[in-house]
Amino acid sequence: KAGVTQTPRYLIKTRGQQVTLSCSPISGHRSVSWYQQTPGQGLQFLFEYFSETQRNKGNFPGRFSGRQFSNSRSEMNVSTLELGDSALYLCASSVLPGTLNTEAFFGQGTRLTVV
Amino acid sequence: AQRVTQPEKLLSVFKGAPVELKCNYSYSGSPELFWYVQYSRQRLQLLLRHISRESIKGFTADLNKGETSFHLKKPFAQEEDSAMYYCALSRSTGNQFYFGTGTSLTVIP
Repeated sequence: KAGVTQTPRYLIKTRGQQVTLSCSPISGHRSVSWYQQTPGQGLQFLFEYFSETQRNKGNFPGRFSGRQFSNSRSEMNVSTLELGDSALYLCASSVLPGTLNTEAFFGQGTRLTVV
Repeated sequence: AQRVTQPEKLLSVFKGAPVELKCNYSYSGSPELFWYVQYSRQRLQLLLRHISRESIKGFTADLNKGETSFHLKKPFAQEEDSAMYYCALSRSTGNQFYFGTGTSLTVIP
């Protein structure tokens, strides 16, 4: 079955612009979480969605937002981009959150460069 | 607050030698601990989790609650083990992981 799909794979934006990234989870997976990966900070949790509701949120400014649709696809939006937002953004999906045998499957990420 | 520490950014071992990747954590509740691996040009994938007590590709990891550690071990390293390894902690109630900064393992032929 198809894995987690993230689009686009690469993106170049200018400071001050906004950007929307998309994540299609594995079919049947209802939980989607987002991570930011940078060389300095590593992988940092952004937020998690389940059944169109945000369940958890990491320590990021309000410029970072997300949503989940009824088909479990998720988008994240970053407004007023800053140079420091340049990163690899990873999406992970799982069947359900919080179950003992939950495995998160990761996408290949979207590489965002802010110039 | 939760925190995962991987003290080694880089680790090199010879093929056939034992390997240990260190991971320490801090968390006030009962965490679930995982090891994720990323091979060159591949996506991040689960290697093993403490709750399963399994051995995957010869790797094992034991949760030591007294030392708050979850070190990854393999008795005989193989070249195909060269990869980036991330230790991660999850609260039992969500699909939210706290990752360490990762250890890049190189197995020298």
